[in-house]
Amino acid sequence: DAKTTQPNSMESNEEEPVHLPCNHSTISGTDYIHWYRQLPSQGPEYVIHGLTSNVNNRMASLAIAEDRKSSTLILHRATLRDAAVYYCISPASYDKVIFGPGTSLSVIP
Amino acid sequence: EPEVTQTPSHQVTQMGQEVILRCVPISNHLYFYWYRQILGQKVEFLVSFYNNEISEKSEIFDDQFSVERPDGSNFTLKIRSTKLEDSAMYFCASSYRAGANVLTFGAGSRLTVL
Repeated sequence: DAKTTQPNSMESNEEEPVHLPCNHSTISGTDYIHWYRQLPSQGPEYVIHGLTSNVNNRMASLAIAEDRKSSTLILHRATLRDAAVYYCISPASYDKVIFGPGTSLSVIP
Repeated sequence: EPEVTQTPSHQVTQMGQEVILRCVPISNHLYFYWYRQILGQKVEFLVSFYNNEISEKSEIFDDQFSVERPDGSNFTLKIRSTKLEDSAMYFCASSYRAGANVLTFGAGSRLTVL
């Protein structure tokens, strides 16, 4: 898997946007960028993925840099329920997803 | 929304005992995975399974571990002789196809080895 680098932790105020950064400078041209999150005491949950273009879904938006060496997961209005560990992954293998330490997001009421 | 179901939610066992953790993946999914998470640590890949055989496994997945899909719905992880360090949350996941890497995870089975 391409190495990804994320901050260990971030804080956000409730109802404000959150931008979670990820660096993946060794990514190859065909590697997707995936984001998962893990809420407390739950299993990981798929959030979003993309290749080159920015992507939106009901949970979040993914902004991918033009050179694809970094990306940003955007939560448009953080809620208390968004407090979780967010994982940025660039799987090189079709048969597995490898999780790093991720970014622990705290949401302040 | 379809979900991955895992049983038991919590199992306590004595060191050296055999444990089987069970998973019911989403019905039209073809790829199956086991992960584990030791308390306070990151989620670790154990094994992936497709077409009734292991497609990839990690160094953690040694001879003490085995996986099976005994029928059309269940996917099991067996630990033959549990050790204290096997205490962890074990997550099952499934996906419709490889390459998509969109995995749906279960809620996990907590294994406590005494």
